[in-house]
Order: sequence, then structure tokens, then C-alpha cells
Amino acid sequence: NAGVMQNPRHLVRRRGQEARLRCSPMKGHSHVYWYRQLPEEGLKFMVYLQKENIIDESGMPKERFSAEFPKEGPSILRIQQVVRGDSAAYFCASSPTSVRRETQYFGPGTRLTVL
Amino acid sequence: AQTVTQSQPEMSVQEAETVTLSCTYDTSESDYYLFWYKQPPSRQMILVIRQEAYKQQNATENRFSVNFQKAAKSFSLKISDSQLGDAAMYFCAYRSATSYDKVIFGPGTSLSVIP
Repeated sequence: NAGVMQNPRHLVRRRGQEARLRCSPMKGHSHVYWYRQLPEEGLKFMVYLQKENIIDESGMPKERFSAEFPKEGPSILRIQQVVRGDSAAYFCASSPTSVRRETQYFGPGTRLTVL
Repeated sequence: AQTVTQSQPEMSVQEAETVTLSCTYDTSESDYYLFWYKQPPSRQMILVIRQEAYKQQNATENRFSVNFQKAAKSFSLKISDSQLGDAAMYFCAYRSATSYDKVIFGPGTSLSVIP
């Protein structure tokens, strides 16, 4: 049973470009969460999605950031017009629909570097 | 709002010795889950142990155990027989059992293991 998969693992962008981060949850998981980890800090919640629905986006910056989890395919975190302050590790987590919903399983993260 | 505090930014332990990492949290809820995650240099988030708040018995996973004091809102992690591979950042985390949304992380404790 494959774990949560994220790609790319490393992403380099220049200021003003777009960054697209992908997350495939574990098989059987329909809840996806995105977190951001700035250097020397803990993980901070960004957004919680279920298939085709955004449940909680209270941690998302109001501008330039968006997330989706379509009916088919991975969840996408999109950052438009990146700035240096967006440089961070972005983690995706997933949890089951019912049994042991309380535990989130994390992917390996995508390290975004903005030049 | 719930918060998680880890008052020890850095800790060190001699190989084969025991170390305890501290965590306190604040919540008005009575039903929740607590976790310890390990983040080695690879930056992968690894679940170490989880505790249900409604259970009085402290969780144990091999060399890892917790001391859960619900009234004091304290959740410390004890690592016995420390090994070099235990060196990592350790994050204490909280999740509501009613809303099942985001996990709230503490700022982390960096653990060094001295050979």
C-alpha cells in the first residue's frame, strides 16, 4: 500500500513564475490537507479538501494561492507569481474516510525554492 | 483556539540513555487526539505515537512512550535506549476529535544523540 505521494520533491522557480505542487493521497483516503513549513518552524495548516470540495481554507493566503482536489487525479496546490517568501517545504497529508480518521499520514514534502 | 507549546528548542541525549521531550497544549475541548511526529534530516514526517484523550492509559510504541496528563494538558514523549537514528526534530501535535480537520503542531524540539 503506497503512502502519500508528492511531486516534485524539489521545485525551483524564479520570482513571478507559477508553482504547481501535486499530492496523491493514500489509497482509500478521501481527505487531503496541505501544510507549509517555513525554515526553522513547525508545520502550519493551509487547506483541507475532500473530493471536489474545499472544506477549510482558513490557513491559505488570500492571494496567489489556490488548491483543488478533483474527482480524478491528484490534489494540486498552486502558487501564482511566486515571491521569495514562498520558499518553504509544502507537505500534503491524507486521512481515511471513516476508520482511524484521526491520523493524518504525511507525504515526503515538496521543497520550493524561489530565486 | 487550540495551541501547542514545546518549551525545549533543543535537547541532547547520550546513546542508550533516556530522554523526555515536553509538550503542553491548550484547548477547551474534551475529546481530541495528540501525536508525536518525527522529522529526520530527510524532512519526511513520521508518526511516532498517538494518544486518544479519552484513554487514561499512556500510549507505548516499543522504545517510545508518553506521559499524558489531561488535567495539566501535558503530553511528554519519553525515548528509552536512545539510538543514533532517533536524532531528528520532534513535533507534538493536536487534533480535535469532533471536527477532524487540521492538525495543530508545536514549534518542534531538535534532538541530538551523542555517540
